[in-house]
Amino acid sequence: SQELEQSPQSLIVQEGKNLTINCTSSKTLYGLYWYKQKYGEGLIFLMMLQKGGEEKSHEKITAKLDEKKQQSSLHITASQPSHAGIYLCGADESFRGGTSYGKLTFGQGTILTVHP
Amino acid sequence: KAGVTQTPRYLIKTRGQQVTLSCSPISGHRSVSWYQQTPGQGLQFLFEYFSETQRNKGNFPGRFSGRQFSNSRSEMNVSTLELGDSALYLCASSQLAEGNEQFFGPGTRLTVL
Repeated sequence: SQELEQSPQSLIVQEGKNLTINCTSSKTLYGLYWYKQKYGEGLIFLMMLQKGGEEKSHEKITAKLDEKKQQSSLHITASQPSHAGIYLCGADESFRGGTSYGKLTFGQGTILTVHP
Repeated sequence: KAGVTQTPRYLIKTRGQQVTLSCSPISGHRSVSWYQQTPGQGLQFLFEYFSETQRNKGNFPGRFSGRQFSNSRSEMNVSTLELGDSALYLCASSQLAEGNEQFFGPGTRLTVL
């Protein structure tokens, strides 16, 4: 199955700074999700990308999928303490057909700390 | 629309016991997936149900099982609990048969003593 590697593993920034989190896949990404998780809680859906070169934004968060569809990045502009948490990228295995229904394969997560 | 709900939120069991966790998907969502999250292994897929049928299963022992009811609510069961089963169990629901956004519940924190 697919393997996703996120970098960096953790990130500490000062409020107001911009930051980028990367997600690299061992295979072509057909459906790539970004989620945010507060420690010990559920995952909050941020964005989903499917097409090569696609870019989506929500408030101060922008996610991109490269043309080759093997790497995605999440960029936060002017970070705030509310952005702190664990960011996870997930590859949708169901696009591959077969019996991979309902399965997301996740990266190990990036822990973001924002100091006021 | 109400989100995905999971009950109970916290559970403490002892080794050898069994446990049942419940998940109610978003109204209209027919696909329910279950995941286990631990510090060491991260988020791992357990299984997926659609229209009361298990369509996909992850690499977990047979002690982990699940089912889905006609109203799309799902349960997962873990029998003969082991210390290593301590984890956050998350369920996610999706509207379409495949290739659609999965929305997660708050999770059930299981501690096995």
